[in-house]
Amino acid sequence: EAGVTQFPSHSVIEKGQTVTLRCDPISGHDNLYWYRRVMGKEIKFLLHFVKESKQDESGMPNNRFLAERTGGTYSTLKVQPAELEDSGVYFCASSQVTALTGYTFGSGTRLTVV
Amino acid sequence: GESVGLHLPTLSVQEGDNSIINCAYSNSASDYFIWYKQESGKGPQFIIDIRSNMDKRQGQRVTVLLNKTVKHLSLQIAATQPGDSAVYFCAEKGNSGYSTLTFGKGTMLLVSP
Repeated sequence: EAGVTQFPSHSVIEKGQTVTLRCDPISGHDNLYWYRRVMGKEIKFLLHFVKESKQDESGMPNNRFLAERTGGTYSTLKVQPAELEDSGVYFCASSQVTALTGYTFGSGTRLTVV
Repeated sequence: GESVGLHLPTLSVQEGDNSIINCAYSNSASDYFIWYKQESGKGPQFIIDIRSNMDKRQGQRVTVLLNKTVKHLSLQIAATQPGDSAVYFCAEKGNSGYSTLTFGKGTMLLVSP
């Protein structure tokens, strides 16, 4: 079974530019989550999709962040325009709807805004 | 690669020692707890989990202890190996199918040969 796939693995952009991160969850997992870890700090929740619907977006920092999950498959997270404080590692995770279990995480996208 | 351990509490042990990593969780309504291991350049990897109706669970070389009275979780690693060096996060989750994981601050474990 393929795991959660994220790309790019690294991205370096200038302040003010736009970046789009992509996540392909495990096939059949309706739940898809985005988390972020700013350098040296804890992993913080951003957003939760159930299929194509946003179940919880309370962790999205501001309206420069836009997440989509067209057709309930892969998801994208766009940052526009990027700011220096957006630098960090963005993790995607997926899980089955009914499972009281943890999530399977991708390897993350390391975003550096300069 | 990413400095996963920057500014985190650090536990340094010798190879072969037992390690204990502690975590205080915040929500007394949390129903499910997980320990994750994160190595540099990788995503968090599941280690072991425990539900709130248990106070101890054992895996291979790892044991998780849950004390709901004081909202404390610990991870014990037996015979720690250099490959165990990583940042360890505890995470808590509510009992709703749609509840999300809340992570603790993380502890950097450094194992010396």
